[in-house]
Amino acid sequence: DAGVTQSPTHLIKTRGQQVTLRCSPKSGHDTVSWYQQALGQGPQFIFQYYEEEERQRGNFPDRFSGHQFPNYSSELNVNALLLGDSALYLCASSLRTGWTDTQYFGPGTRLTVL
Amino acid sequence: AQSVTQLDSHVSVSEGTPVLLRCNYSSSYSPSLFWYVQHPNKGLQLLLKYTSAATLVKGINGFEAEFKKSETSFHLTKPSAHMSDAAEYFCVVYGGATNKLIFGTGTLLAVQP
Repeated sequence: DAGVTQSPTHLIKTRGQQVTLRCSPKSGHDTVSWYQQALGQGPQFIFQYYEEEERQRGNFPDRFSGHQFPNYSSELNVNALLLGDSALYLCASSLRTGWTDTQYFGPGTRLTVL
Repeated sequence: AQSVTQLDSHVSVSEGTPVLLRCNYSSSYSPSLFWYVQHPNKGLQLLLKYTSAATLVKGINGFEAEFKKSETSFHLTKPSAHMSDAAEYFCVVYGGATNKLIFGTGTLLAVQP
């Protein structure tokens, strides 16, 4: 049973560029959440997608956007990259149960903005 | 609002000795709590979770945690540390209706031979 997968593993961009990160959830999961983990810090919630809609959003600017596809996979897009966007971006998937959804994480995409 | 506080940023133990990683939580209702582990350059792995069933929760790799409401604590323990336990550990509270996880700042565990 494949777990959560993310691509690419590493990415280097320059300021002002745009980036797209991809995530495939664990088999049987229908909800995808994205987190940003800056160096030396705990992950911070960006947003969550369920039924192809953004359901919850953390304290991130509109430069961060996403999408969920009918097969439950998801993309995270970041426009007008800033140096401060350099971080490990983690995708987590879960099955929405209406109770405490346990989230399972992928290995992450390391984004470096120069 | 829910939050967690990890009381130690770094913990160092010798191989074969007990591990104690401390976490206090704040929640306006009965919380759901987790411990995740992150090995260098890797994603997060779920160690264990508490969801108001038994207060002593057993996880993978010999770890366990005890939910103590009177102390608002959820400390992670292991009787005997192994070199492979060296990693960063995050105490996490579930954000309820927001469906998000709220992470502590992490505890870096070093295991000395």
